[in-house]
Amino acid sequence: KAGVTQTPRYLIKTRGQQVTLSCSPISGHRSVSWYQQTPGQGLQFLFEYFSETQRNKGNFPGRFSGRQFSNSRSEMNVSTLELGDSALYLCASSIGTSSSYNEQFFGPGTRLTVL
Amino acid sequence: AQSVTQPDIHITVSEGASLELRCNYSYGATPYLFWYVQSPGQGLQLLLKYFSGDTLVQGIKGFEAEFKRSQSSFNLRKPSVHWSDAAEYFCAVEGGGADGLTFGKGTHLIIQP
Repeated sequence: KAGVTQTPRYLIKTRGQQVTLSCSPISGHRSVSWYQQTPGQGLQFLFEYFSETQRNKGNFPGRFSGRQFSNSRSEMNVSTLELGDSALYLCASSIGTSSSYNEQFFGPGTRLTVL
Repeated sequence: AQSVTQPDIHITVSEGASLELRCNYSYGATPYLFWYVQSPGQGLQLLLKYFSGDTLVQGIKGFEAEFKRSQSSFNLRKPSVHWSDAAEYFCAVEGGGADGLTFGKGTHLIIQP
């Protein structure tokens, strides 16, 4: 069974631009969560989608948004990029929601660099 | 709010020696606890998890962890490390609510030959 895939793997943008990252979960998984990883703040929860609905959201500004499609694939969007948005963005999928006994499987991440 | 502390930023261990990585959590009830490993350029891989029951849990790659409620700890152990264990290790907690996983800052494990 294929794992979680994220595209693109690397991305370079400039301040003020917007970016869209994509995540394809493991087949049969209905939950997708997004995390931001930076050297300073570590791993931080962004949001979770389950059956096309945002289930919960971490403490991030409204510039960070996401959505989930009927095939469970998810995208996250960051508008008006800032230098501090440079990070590794990780996507994780699970069969059910993250608040149950469901293991989250992580993708390799998208490395975003904002210049 | 839940939180996780990994007191050791870096740990250096000789190959073949035993390993213990520390993790302390803060949460009001019994949490779900996890250990993940991240190799350079890779995503996170789950080593083991604790939900309930036996407080000593076995994971993959020869790792185990012990949940101690009285100490709010969930330390990761391995009796004999291999050079391939060099990586970043993250302890995480999930409270069963709507906050996703809360991770510690990680411990960077270096293996000396």
